[in-house]
Amino acid sequence: EPEVTQTPSHQVTQMGQEVILRCVPISNHLYFYWYRQILGQKVEFLVSFYNNEISEKSEIFDDQFSVERPDGSNFTLKIRSTKLEDSAMYFCASSEERKAKNIQYFGAGTRLSVL
Amino acid sequence: TQLLEQSPQFLSIQEGENLTVYCNSSSVFSSLQWYRQEPGEGPVLLVTVVTGGEVKKLKRLTFQFGDARKDSSLHITAAQPGDTGLYLCAGARVYNQGGKLIFGQGTELSVKP
Repeated sequence: EPEVTQTPSHQVTQMGQEVILRCVPISNHLYFYWYRQILGQKVEFLVSFYNNEISEKSEIFDDQFSVERPDGSNFTLKIRSTKLEDSAMYFCASSEERKAKNIQYFGAGTRLSVL
Repeated sequence: TQLLEQSPQFLSIQEGENLTVYCNSSSVFSSLQWYRQEPGEGPVLLVTVVTGGEVKKLKRLTFQFGDARKDSSLHITAAQPGDTGLYLCAGARVYNQGGKLIFGQGTELSVKP
């Protein structure tokens, strides 16, 4: 069964460093998303991406964040200068269409630990 | 701000009991999705409900979308220890061009043998 894959599963970094989280969405999907989940809190939307541009972003997604689809298969989230409060699970999701159902499939996540 | 209130947050029951988890909002959603999340993993889709009043069944799990598409419920019949986990509801709005999902806080279910 097709699935969303994310790498790495765990990323440890020093505060102020840049990190790139990688995702391979389901191959025929056109809409891509990043969410994050701070430990013990709800899953929060970060950004949605379609046709090589951002469709919507949340207040969390400030200038330190960027997304890119560098080729036909990868979808990346970059944090330029990590802060302690960026420590969280980051989930990539993809969907085939954005009609009423908007069914999104999630990857297993990358645990980001900022020290 | 769109909110999805999920209750209860924690539920501990004995094997064989029934339970219901609720998801409520003041906003109308075009669809509502239920996920199950294991520790350290991503949400896994259980079901999507789209039509007001829709009922879907997945073995012992029954999902319902409210008539006004503002609320949903998950009912588990004769719970088993294998049902233990975190259950999440997430709403989508078709008019939202970004397509984001708004998540509830989750219900941590523990079913004791």
